[in-house]
Amino acid sequence: QVQLQESGPGLVKPSGTLSLTCDVSGGSITSNKWWSWVRQPPGKGLEWIAEISHSGSTNYNPSLRGRVTISVDKSKNQFSLKLNSVTAADTAVYYCAREYDSDGYYGYFDCWGQGTLVTVSS
Amino acid sequence: VMTQSPDTLAVSPGETATINCQSSQSVLHSSDNKNYLSWYQQKSGQVPKLLIKWASTRESGVPDRFSGSGSGTDFTLTISSLQAEDVAVYYCQQYYKTPTFGQGTKVEIK
Repeated sequence: QVQLQESGPGLVKPSGTLSLTCDVSGGSITSNKWWSWVRQPPGKGLEWIAEISHSGSTNYNPSLRGRVTISVDKSKNQFSLKLNSVTAADTAVYYCAREYDSDGYYGYFDCWGQGTLVTVSS
Repeated sequence: VMTQSPDTLAVSPGETATINCQSSQSVLHSSDNKNYLSWYQQKSGQVPKLLIKWASTRESGVPDRFSGSGSGTDFTLTISSLQAEDVAVYYCQQYYKTPTFGQGTKVEIK
């Protein structure tokens, strides 16, 4: 059974870069086509950030495009997120998730990591 | 844009909870006649859990008191015979285009 685990700094300074990694265990990252990042500000709802395929194709939320980079490392069975020029508004729990492949379209998220809280503060 | 109603819902144990989700555009894909709409449950301090996919298909292991219905732009999540363990925030999500979630509906016990 696939499990996901996020890791990265819990505190990032304003204007800095948020960097997170999601380790995929219990299966190969190539066993599923798409992998995503979703975030949730404290006490608020869910926001999809970006997705990447195991071959490296990417799609981004237009509201964040230009600040976000998602990447994959098949050799390490992990994928990563970088968000630059962060502000307090980027403070959130960041989840990595497995996305069902709807044969070329977006999908639902059927497996989630435990989430990691990233706080943007000086 | 996905809009859920109500924002909060208090239901007596054993009664039925009904949550609505409206999309600003149709999520029914003509290529496969499927509604690209899912529902999640998030209990306090926990990770979102997939309940329903394709608007009405229950995920494996999800109790059958949870059911999804609707098509096009209007959808409903129904929790029959509400139990204390169903207290949570419920989100709808469309995946027809760039994934977006509803703002969430908090279900409480009356």
